[in-house]
Amino acid sequence: DADVTQTPRNRITKTGKRIMLECSQTKGHDRMYWYRQDPGLGLQLIYYSFDVKDINKGEISDGYSVSRQAQAKFSLSLESAIPNQTALYFCATSEGTEGTQYFGPGTRLLVL
Amino acid sequence: KQEVTQIPAALSVPEGENLVLNCSFTDSAIYNLQWFRQDPGKGLTSLLLIQSSQREQTSGRLNASLDKSSGRSTLYIAASQPGDSATYLCAAAPLRGWGKLQFGAGTQVVVTP
Repeated sequence: DADVTQTPRNRITKTGKRIMLECSQTKGHDRMYWYRQDPGLGLQLIYYSFDVKDINKGEISDGYSVSRQAQAKFSLSLESAIPNQTALYFCATSEGTEGTQYFGPGTRLLVL
Repeated sequence: KQEVTQIPAALSVPEGENLVLNCSFTDSAIYNLQWFRQDPGKGLTSLLLIQSSQREQTSGRLNASLDKSSGRSTLYIAASQPGDSATYLCAAAPLRGWGKLQFGAGTQVVVTP
């Protein structure tokens, strides 16, 4: 079984809808991250969390919110989806600040 | 702000040739430099992590070097195979970045049989 899982893998939604992307990990890591990837661009950090009580904004947090329900679960919400949020979304985990980051398979989101 | 650049954006080589992938970064104050592989429709797989105190790291046919003074890292893949076809991304972890990675846009590699 994969160490970092994301659901759903693909999602089509309409402008103005609220959606949630979920991430779960079995690696036992404290640190979790949400990134988005646009074609031809690198990954940009949306939010990151060092533990259940510590959540921080990344480079592009506007229009997004997150919830760390447990050490193993980190959810990303789009409160009111807009077309320029169409992208590939990745969740990642790491052990410690300097550790390797482990990525989920990604969620492909299309906002119409 | 740390900026990470990967040139070229795409590369095609015949099977058996050695691959050289370049990554440059603007701020030398980093914890580490990480190389990832991304296959279409899949997530990123970590290949190598070089700590700021290291000059290189090796794993099988892969070797990554780090030169902080010039702001460069190079990933070498020896004797390329068609299975090496993928997009390769590098990412720098800034010293005061608390684990946040700054990614390059990646180099798309095609190894032709």
